[in-house]
Amino acid sequence: DAGVTQSPTHLIKTRGQQVTLRCSPKSGHDTVSWYQQALGQGPQFIFQYYEEEERQRGNFPDRFSGHQFPNYSSELNVNALLLGDSALYLCASSLPGRGLIPDYEQYFGPGTRLTVT
Amino acid sequence: KNEVEQSPQNLTAQEGEFITINCSYSVGISALHWLQQHPGGGIVSLFMLSSGKKKHGRLIATINIQEKHSSLHITASHPRDSAVYICALHAGGTSYGKLTFGQGTILTVHP
Repeated sequence: DAGVTQSPTHLIKTRGQQVTLRCSPKSGHDTVSWYQQALGQGPQFIFQYYEEEERQRGNFPDRFSGHQFPNYSSELNVNALLLGDSALYLCASSLPGRGLIPDYEQYFGPGTRLTVT
Repeated sequence: KNEVEQSPQNLTAQEGEFITINCSYSVGISALHWLQQHPGGGIVSLFMLSSGKKKHGRLIATINIQEKHSSLHITASHPRDSAVYICALHAGGTSYGKLTFGQGTILTVHP
């Protein structure tokens, strides 16, 4: 059983460009969360997708958008890249919650290292 | 002030030493995670706890909900334990899967 996978591993883009990062959740997981981790910092929550909808969002501008597909895989899109968007982007998946109680256990992918020049 | 504060930020130890990393938080939580991150980025979940104490091998995690404090202990530390250890929490209420992270503790264990 593959765990959480992300692609690409590394990416170099120029300011103003657009980028798409991809995540496949662990088998059986239906919820995908995205995090941004700047160098030397803890990860910051970007947003979470569940049932193909954005369920919760952190303090990130609208340049950051996402999508979840029927197979639960997800994409993170960043438009009009800035130098400050250079970071490790982490995807995490989790099991379905039990009714109103979410399952908190999260499994992380290896991340995509984005460098904006 | 950050919602999650870890101490120390950097920790150097000799192989075999007992290590403690602390995490204090200022909000009500539903659950707290201890995570390990190696160079290269991959994050592994070590513990998820909402009360009491959990043990896995040489690792022990404790949490005191009333004091809003958690600790991660490593007994008989080994150079392969060198990594960044991160405390992350699920705030209470309808925060679903959103994790709020501490800044991490960089642990280096020398042979």
